[in-house]
Amino acid sequence: SQKIEQNSEALNIQEGKTATLTCNYTNYSPAYLQWYRQDPGRGPVFLLLIRENEKEKRKERLKVTFDTTLKQSLFHITASQPADSATYLCALAGYSSASKIIFGSGTRLSIRP
Amino acid sequence: DVKVTQSSRYLVKRTGEKVFLECVQDMDHENMFWYRQDPGLGLRLIYFSYDVKMKEKGDIPEGYSVSREKKERFSLILESASTNQTSMYLCASSQGQDGRYQPQHFGDGTRLSIL
Repeated sequence: SQKIEQNSEALNIQEGKTATLTCNYTNYSPAYLQWYRQDPGRGPVFLLLIRENEKEKRKERLKVTFDTTLKQSLFHITASQPADSATYLCALAGYSSASKIIFGSGTRLSIRP
Repeated sequence: DVKVTQSSRYLVKRTGEKVFLECVQDMDHENMFWYRQDPGLGLRLIYFSYDVKMKEKGDIPEGYSVSREKKERFSLILESASTNQTSMYLCASSQGQDGRYQPQHFGDGTRLSIL
């Protein structure tokens, strides 16, 4: 069955360092991959989308890579700040227009001052 | 900005009750979704709709039904609530005919407890 794994439940990073979150998938060939941020008690908020023919996408301090050979996406936050502390979710969608979006369970990122 | 509003932030119901969760979006989006979110399991899709009066089952539709009589409103119904339906319920919407590459806009969720 299709499976999405995000590298760990929690990640603690020193402020100013680059945070790297991993999203691995199996038994799936996604056409699109999205990353969302979720704060406690709030719904997820869309951050970035990357297509399977794009290797990398950037938005301000955020960078996403998509490696269909490794079946993996990496999400980087450079110059991390305590305000970046949140849970980050990856989500995949397939080639069929009827394909649903499948979410990972998320990684809780904490940036310590 | 897109706003997705869920009728209640917290709700407590009893086993066997019929429960209605309401969701309204204000951006004329075609697609609407209902998810539940449980620790360690991520977001799981219950039902979705690509048009008025249209519905499709997601991954875990058992025990739920939905209604979409108007484009802006998508209701989730628990026909006979059970304790294993205690969860955080999230509604989302997205635009366009193909929802795969459109960002989903989420409400802030309803934390439902079934006693």
